[in-house]
Formats: sequence, structure tokens, C-alpha cells
Amino acid sequence: DTGVSQNPRHKITKRGQNVTFRCDPISEHNRLYWYRQTLGQGPEFLTYFQNEAQLEKSRLLSDRFSAERPKGSFSTLEIQRTEQGDSAMYLCASSSGGLAGGESYNEQFFGPGTRLTVL
Amino acid sequence: AQSVTQLDSQVPVFEEAPVELRCNYSSSVSVYLFWYVQYPNQGLQLLLKYLSGSTLVKGINGFEAEFNKSQTSFHLRKPSVHISDTAEYFCAVTNAGNMLTFGGGTRLMVKP
Repeated sequence: DTGVSQNPRHKITKRGQNVTFRCDPISEHNRLYWYRQTLGQGPEFLTYFQNEAQLEKSRLLSDRFSAERPKGSFSTLEIQRTEQGDSAMYLCASSSGGLAGGESYNEQFFGPGTRLTVL
Repeated sequence: AQSVTQLDSQVPVFEEAPVELRCNYSSSVSVYLFWYVQYPNQGLQLLLKYLSGSTLVKGINGFEAEFNKSQTSFHLRKPSVHISDTAEYFCAVTNAGNMLTFGGGTRLMVKP
């Protein structure tokens, strides 16, 4: 299966610890997206990359959240000094895409998510 | 700014009955519209999308949706549901193909 993969699938941590999640997109996709989904809610956009460039990060929830995609392939999402309110499912998606801001739509394919529980 | 409202948080229905899941959106510009399905402990799977053209869109698993610009709606329908359709359904919009804005979701519960 060559879909989007995310690791770990589950993470339990104590408040105040740092956590890092990894996303491996579909290999030919140059766009990568992160979303957060809290219980009973729809996914909420966090940030996205075009190759290694992070083109939108104003939706990251606080300065404790950061994302990287150093070589334009896999991406990591880090949360520093976790809080109980960070408990959620973190979803990654990838798509093909042209220039940023282009008018065409390319389907986003989602991974299974990483479920974070902060105790 | 865009927003999506899914009016029903839960929809119980008997197997083989028809179902409609409602979605209304708000946007000042033209949008693309989507329905995704999420099974327990899984990611989102695209059911169908409206980009342009015919306002009646057919998707996978027998689902269809109709785009109504005047009512800013994109309701999802299926004429006869199965137990396997039990899942969470999300309506989403985007205007630039980059950031999807999702509704709160509707849990479809199909009863035997």
C-alpha cells in the first residue's frame, strides 16, 4: 500500500513533555498538510507545505506547535510543553499540486492519523 | 473566511431506507465542495466532490450530492443505506485547493 502513513498511531504523554509525529506522504505528492481533529469535531487545518517550503503556518495553534519538511518528502509535527488541551487526532494529508495559490484542485489523501493523549 | 455547518450531529436510519445528510456553507467566493467519510480509527476517505459543471455529483458507494448555489447547500443523499455505511461524514469546502474547512460532522447510524 503506498498511501499516506503516520507514526506513531497512538501517543500517550504527560503534560509538559514534547512530542513529535511523523508523516510520510504519497511519494509523488509535493504538497503535505497537517490537520487536528478533536473529539466530536471536524478536522481543523494547521499548516501545509509545497515541497520543503511551509506556505501557510498562521493557523498553527500556538508557538508550541511547529512543523518541518526538510527534504520535501516526510514531515514532522512537534508540540512542545504539551497541555491536556492538545489531546486530539493529528491528521496528515498529501496531494499533487502546481504553483501555490493555483486555481486547480488536487485531491488530498489522508493518513490514518496519530491519536495524542496528554495526561 | 469560509464556514461549514452540518445541521445534524447524528442521523439514525434503518437499513435500506433513504438518507440525507445536510450541509450548508458560507463563503464570499466560489468554492469547491466535498464529502468525506471516516470509519472508526481510520483517516478520511473522499466520497465525492463538486468542482464545476453539473450540480448533481455522484460518488462512491452509491452516494450523491447536489450543489445548490442559491441556498449555499451541498446535501448528501443515498437512496438505500447499508449497515456498512455506519460512519462519520464530513462536509468540507475550499476556494484555493490548499486549506480544507470542515463541518462538525454527522454520525450516520444504520440500524438493522
